[in-house]
Amino acid sequence: KQEVTQIPAALSVPEGENLVLNCSFTDSAIYNLQWFRQDPGKGLTSLLLIQSSQREQTSGRLNASLDKSSGRSTLYIAASQPGDSATYLCAVKLIGSNYKLTFGKGTLLTVNP
Amino acid sequence: DGGITQSPKYLFRKEGQNVTLSCEQNLNHDAMYWYRQDPGQGLRLIYYSQIVNDFQKGDIAEGYSVSREKKESFPLTVTSAQKNPTAFYLCASSMEGLGPDTQYFGPGTRLTVL
Repeated sequence: KQEVTQIPAALSVPEGENLVLNCSFTDSAIYNLQWFRQDPGKGLTSLLLIQSSQREQTSGRLNASLDKSSGRSTLYIAASQPGDSATYLCAVKLIGSNYKLTFGKGTLLTVNP
Repeated sequence: DGGITQSPKYLFRKEGQNVTLSCEQNLNHDAMYWYRQDPGQGLRLIYYSQIVNDFQKGDIAEGYSVSREKKESFPLTVTSAQKNPTAFYLCASSMEGLGPDTQYFGPGTRLTVL
């Protein structure tokens, strides 16, 4: 059974700091991995999707990496801003599973002005 | 404006009542999904549908029912058989269940049992 773990559960940083969020998964036979952002009481917004054949994806100040062999992904946020405060969730889609995303519990990020 | 809408935003249920949560999308997506989110937890899949008139159980389908009579709509009914229904419910859609497409999420419905 695929398990997805996100560490830390919560992170508080001062504005302007670069930071890394971690995601690990137990089954490396994944089709892709996604990072989502969730604001309090809201739905999820997709940030980055990395196919299993890719090593990283970038969007603006965000960079996500994927190391299938070690079962890890990181989300790097450069020059953090208070508006980045949210919960960040990672989710993996297993090969052979045409619908199922397995989610981690998320990291609650607070960026202090 | 393309997207996914869920209604209502907040819903209160009395013990023994069935309630239905609405989910509509105008993205022309084939696949639709219902998730449940509890505080401090990841999302858990309740039901999913890849095409009209077809749907499959997810990990926690007991006490829930769905229908998919139209491509745009995927309503979820929380029945009285669901013993702990208080949660945040999220609907999502994607171009198709197969393939790399990302899932797009609605704003959610918060259900509280009184």
